[in-house]
Amino acid sequence: NAGVTQTPKFQVLKTGQSMTLQCAQDMNHEYMSWYRQDPGMGLRLIHYSVGAGITDQGEVPNGYNVSRSTTEDFPLRLLSAAPSQTSVYFCASSYSAGTGFQPQHFGDGTRLSIL
Amino acid sequence: SQQGEEDPQALSIQEGENATMNCSYKTSINNLQWYRQNSGRGLVHLILIRSNEREKHSGRLRVTLDTSKKSSSLLITASRAADTASYFCATDAWGQGGSEKLVFGKGTKLTVNP
Repeated sequence: NAGVTQTPKFQVLKTGQSMTLQCAQDMNHEYMSWYRQDPGMGLRLIHYSVGAGITDQGEVPNGYNVSRSTTEDFPLRLLSAAPSQTSVYFCASSYSAGTGFQPQHFGDGTRLSIL
Repeated sequence: SQQGEEDPQALSIQEGENATMNCSYKTSINNLQWYRQNSGRGLVHLILIRSNEREKHSGRLRVTLDTSKKSSSLLITASRAADTASYFCATDAWGQGGSEKLVFGKGTKLTVNP
């Protein structure tokens, strides 16, 4: 099993450009999420999904869009990149919450720089 | 934000010593999880403790949970240089759309000196 695969691993954008960060998992997990990690800020939740067709906002959703058309994929779209979106982005997945969350499987991250 | 908060932010110890990290949270939870992150890598799940459990062990890891104080601690015994990493607690919370979400604290950076 590949687990959670994030692409690309590194990306440099110019302010105003748009792009999509890809996240795919092969474990048939219902729950998928995107976090950003900045120095001293820990992980902050951007968007998450409890299943195909269902998404919800996290703590810092502004400037990002998501969709969940399949169980396997959960892409994160930056609509108009800003320097404040320079960060490391992590995708995670797990089986459905039920009563409390199951352990999360994380990708290796996408390091994004906005110039 | 219903985020867990770890304490201390940074911890430096000698190999062989025990390391204790604490996590406090704000609202009732179903379970609490601890994760580890090596530099430049994704997070790896360490241990999950349910709200009706008070203590859990996994190898050299010991986690306690006090729901009355809304706090948890992670103890790493007989630390090794390879334990050098950042450690995060994560708790469940409710999103605006009515679904559960998992939120992380800011982490404790542990350095184990050889």
